[in-house]
Amino acid sequence: TQLLEQSPQFLSIQEGENLTVYCNSSSVFSSLQWYRQEPGEGPVLLVTVVTGGEVKKLKRLTFQFGDARKDSSLHITAAQPGDTGLYLCAGRSGSARQLTFGSGTQLTVLP
Amino acid sequence: DTAVSQTPKYLVTQMGNDKSIKCEQNLGHDTMYWYKQDSKKFLKIMFSYNNKELIINETVPNRFSPKSPDKAHLNLHINSLELGDSAVYFCASSQAGTAQYFGPGTRLTVT
Repeated sequence: TQLLEQSPQFLSIQEGENLTVYCNSSSVFSSLQWYRQEPGEGPVLLVTVVTGGEVKKLKRLTFQFGDARKDSSLHITAAQPGDTGLYLCAGRSGSARQLTFGSGTQLTVLP
Repeated sequence: DTAVSQTPKYLVTQMGNDKSIKCEQNLGHDTMYWYKQDSKKFLKIMFSYNNKELIINETVPNRFSPKSPDKAHLNLHINSLELGDSAVYFCASSQAGTAQYFGPGTRLTVT
């Protein structure tokens, strides 16, 4: 079983602060995705990274895939209350259709 | 238009009952999934269907039976409901193993 551990599990910060969320595994993934889930809704895809060392930016969000493709990070600059939600990483191994989801990071940005 | 829809949104029922959750996607995707999200927000794959054929069947009780009448629908039938079945169930779809699109979820409460 491939496990994806996310840290921290909970994070509460003030508007305007920066933060980083981590997603770690002992397994190698062919691709890794980040999702955000808001209360009462399903997860929504933010980004997919496929190359070791890859960095992708989505406005104030920066995603990085580790060189060995075993870990990833999500950095948010100048967080806003609208960033509040559950952030989930999900990895895909080889040609598998199945995604393995991480344990999640619940982010709360206070105004 | 809603891409992935589920009904009902909320389901409250008593132990021992049989219930079904319906899912429909209008994205033309070839693969559909059922996930269970527990109280700790951990998202775990239950089933996956590709072109109406079961391709992933994780270790779930055989009280859970998915049915796919066509590529756009994947329903979940649960027999003899138990307290531990209480969770949020998400349907999702994808095309050729790419990004997964999730439905809004069905919150099942077994009393």
